[in-house]
Amino acid sequence: SYELTQPPSVSVSPGQTASITCSGDKLGDRYAYWYQQKPGQSPVLVIYQDTRRPSGIPERFSGSNSGNTATLTISGTQAMDEADYYCQAWDSSTVVFGGGTKLTVL
Amino acid sequence: EVQLVESGGGLVQPGGSLRLSCAASGFTFSTYSMNWVRQAPGKGLEWVSYISSGSSTISYADSVKGRFTISRNNAKNSLSLQMNSLRAEDTAVYYCARATMLRGVPDAFDIWGQGTMVTVSS
Repeated sequence: SYELTQPPSVSVSPGQTASITCSGDKLGDRYAYWYQQKPGQSPVLVIYQDTRRPSGIPERFSGSNSGNTATLTISGTQAMDEADYYCQAWDSSTVVFGGGTKLTVL
Repeated sequence: EVQLVESGGGLVQPGGSLRLSCAASGFTFSTYSMNWVRQAPGKGLEWVSYISSGSSTISYADSVKGRFTISRNNAKNSLSLQMNSLRAEDTAVYYCARATMLRGVPDAFDIWGQGTMVTVSS
């Protein structure tokens, strides 16, 4: 079965750029999606179709996907961006989530 | 307002059954595929099941195949998950999530419910 691998944690200083990776076999051949989840809240879509931002998501969130790795980049990271981030891809009619990355802003 | 509201969670003994529901409002439910996603306490997201807009395509995670059944009623704007032979490892918050469509293929999970907690314990 298809698997997506994320680093368990990433730390960033306020105002700096955070990069969260998601690795999977030939992931670049399919779309990657990213979700943000804050404690006690439901996940929120922040990037879809590799690079696109839903309405209401700040421009500082961007995505890329090539080869075996998709990357979520947060430019000018703010304290409010501290959360768990999950990548996701479709594998035929099934869905795979990465294990999640806890982003700490310190 | 586009909204998904789950219900039906609770405490159930191992081997028991539970039926979750998800009420949709604010959008044309019959044109979207739907999913169930769960999250065990302190753990990550785990996809559970998918159903296409017209129920023609249904899929399950291996961990629930043969025990869970997804269904929908487009006339009532509702999604259901029948869970049988429940195990301790099924303990989780269960979310329903809408999937947008891209050229007839499911795409992003753009709307999520607030979740309903299922606890399997004796």
